[in-house]
Amino acid sequence: GQNIDQPTEMTATEGAIVQINCTYQTSGFNGLFWYQQHAGEAPTFLSYNVLDGLEEKGRFSSFLSRSKGYSYLLLKELQMKDSASYLCAALDSNYQLIWGAGTKLIIKP
Amino acid sequence: SQTIHQWPATLVQPVGSPLSLECTVEGTSNPNLYWYRQAAGRGLQLLFYSVGIGQISSEVPQNLSASRPQDRQFILSSKKLLLSDSGFYLCARKEGLADTGELFFGEGSRLTVL
Repeated sequence: GQNIDQPTEMTATEGAIVQINCTYQTSGFNGLFWYQQHAGEAPTFLSYNVLDGLEEKGRFSSFLSRSKGYSYLLLKELQMKDSASYLCAALDSNYQLIWGAGTKLIIKP
Repeated sequence: SQTIHQWPATLVQPVGSPLSLECTVEGTSNPNLYWYRQAAGRGLQLLFYSVGIGQISSEVPQNLSASRPQDRQFILSSKKLLLSDSGFYLCARKEGLADTGELFFGEGSRLTVL
């Protein structure tokens, strides 16, 4: 079956760095997305990786290893507004998105 | 700019009652549109997607249906709601023409079935 695993919840301190991991098992693979979702709101797009390696976008970076079925989202210089759920989603061979349940990130002052 | 509007934002419905959620897209023509449901502690579940007027693909058998009467309008319906239909319903469009384009979501409709 197809599956996405990511931690349910993580806690980090304002100003610190946090890494949210995601492992995936899909029928074929056409890339991996990260979305941010604040409580009660819709998800918003953060990043898309299809090739191995690290993609950096300001304070946020996303990494992909296709051979390991693994990705992570790295958030630097954490701010209170980064408190949200982070959703990992993999695109399978039919270009259908398989979603993880999300990781709730709690930022403490 | 391209935006997605959903309504109603929140609704509480009794079991067995009908449902109609509406999604309207502005600023683009012939978008690929999607209905997702998000239940607490679970990943987004694709319910329906549409590539054009009158074209609906269903991903999960259930008591819900979808229609696309106009290019920029996507409607999610039910004749008789179940308790398990409670959740956060999200309408989305895909950016660009590529299958790998990211999704842009509407504000969502939170449904509670009692």
